[in-house]
Amino acid sequence: GNSVTQMEGPVTLSEEAFLTINCTYTATGYPSLFWYVQYPGEGLQLLLKATKADDKGSNKGFEATYRKETTSFHLEKGSVQVSDSAVYFCALPTGGGNKLTFGTGTQLKVEL
Amino acid sequence: GAGVSQSPRYKVAKRGQDVALRCDPISGHVSLFWYQQALGQGPEFLTYFQNEAQLDKSGLPSDRFFAERPEGSVSTLKIQRTQQEDSAVYLCASGDRNLLAKNIQYFGAGTRLSVL
Repeated sequence: GNSVTQMEGPVTLSEEAFLTINCTYTATGYPSLFWYVQYPGEGLQLLLKATKADDKGSNKGFEATYRKETTSFHLEKGSVQVSDSAVYFCALPTGGGNKLTFGTGTQLKVEL
Repeated sequence: GAGVSQSPRYKVAKRGQDVALRCDPISGHVSLFWYQQALGQGPEFLTYFQNEAQLDKSGLPSDRFFAERPEGSVSTLKIQRTQQEDSAVYLCASGDRNLLAKNIQYFGAGTRLSVL
């Protein structure tokens, strides 16, 4: 079945640093790909998505490009803020699209 | 409501007790999902409803777990004879039938279950 692999955390950065969180996937066909974010004490929120190869999803300064050649969907942000501290999950639909499979999550800590 | 609402937010149970977790999805959302999130892990799928029909329960870990959505809106996840390994955050999500929102799921804040 479809699966994702994320880089392990925690990732600790200084404010305004460049962020990359790696995500690679294994899938049948070309499913949509998602990044979800979980702030402390809250549920998961959709951060961005891409629905087909070469699509770039973007939101709140975060970007991720759906690359079928490398089966990757890496999350990037040019300048992180303390408020970006959270756990980030890469995900894709499985089982005919009726459920999501998530990576193990990458915790990001941004310090002043 | 504006978002997915789950209750209670926290539940402490003694081993062997039965618990019931409630999910109130976004109004009008056809799809409803339950996930289990262990500490430090990503959510794991438990079960899926489309309206009142439970179309996939392949992720339920044992027959102690039971979910229902009798009127196609509010859903309840019931765990019988709780065990320590059931301790986790239980997340509910709902989804729209709109094709433009395909596969997008909106999550509640979860119920943190601790079994002592």
